[in-house]
Amino acid sequence: SQKIEQNSEALNIQEGKTATLTCNYTNYSPAYLQWYRQDPGRGPVFLLLIRENEKEKRKERLKVTFDTTLKQSLFHITASQPADSATYLCALDRSGGSYIPTFGRGTSLIVHP
Amino acid sequence: EAQVTQNPRYLITVTGKKLTVTCSQNMNHEYMSWYRQDPGLGLRQIYYSMNVEVTDKGDVPEGYKVSRKEKRNFPLILESPSPNQTSLYFCASSAPGRLNTEAFFGQGTRLTVV
Repeated sequence: SQKIEQNSEALNIQEGKTATLTCNYTNYSPAYLQWYRQDPGRGPVFLLLIRENEKEKRKERLKVTFDTTLKQSLFHITASQPADSATYLCALDRSGGSYIPTFGRGTSLIVHP
Repeated sequence: EAQVTQNPRYLITVTGKKLTVTCSQNMNHEYMSWYRQDPGLGLRQIYYSMNVEVTDKGDVPEGYKVSRKEKRNFPLILESPSPNQTSLYFCASSAPGRLNTEAFFGQGTRLTVV
């Protein structure tokens, strides 16, 4: 069966450090992978998309890598701030390029001042 | 302003009383979907639609219905709600073929079935 796995344990880091979150998937052949941020009680907000032919994508303090051989994406936040504390979700397209995302369960990030 | 609007935001209802949660988007998106979110289970897809009159089941469709008669609207119908449908619901829309395709989410509907 298809699975998208993210670490269910919260990630606690100190302000200023780099946070690294992992997304692993099985039985998908995604055309792209997305990362979203979700704050409690609110809808997810899109952060970055990386396509299958891209190894790395950056946006300000965010960096995403995508390894289709390992079936893994890493999401990095550099110089983390308490305001980065949230749950981060990775998402794959429902069926090959459909642009309807299916989500992992998310990893909670807590940045301590 | 580009947005996805869900109504109501909060709803308490009784078992078996039919209800509809509305979802409307103003971005002319082809794709729309419904998710439910429960603690520890993440966002699970209920139904999705790739265009008008085209709908398909997601991962947890039991107990739900949808319709897509117009491009902008995608209501979620619970014909006979049960307590296990108590959850936080999100509607989302997206469009194919854009450079930076993303899903836009509504504000959420918190449903309690007693």
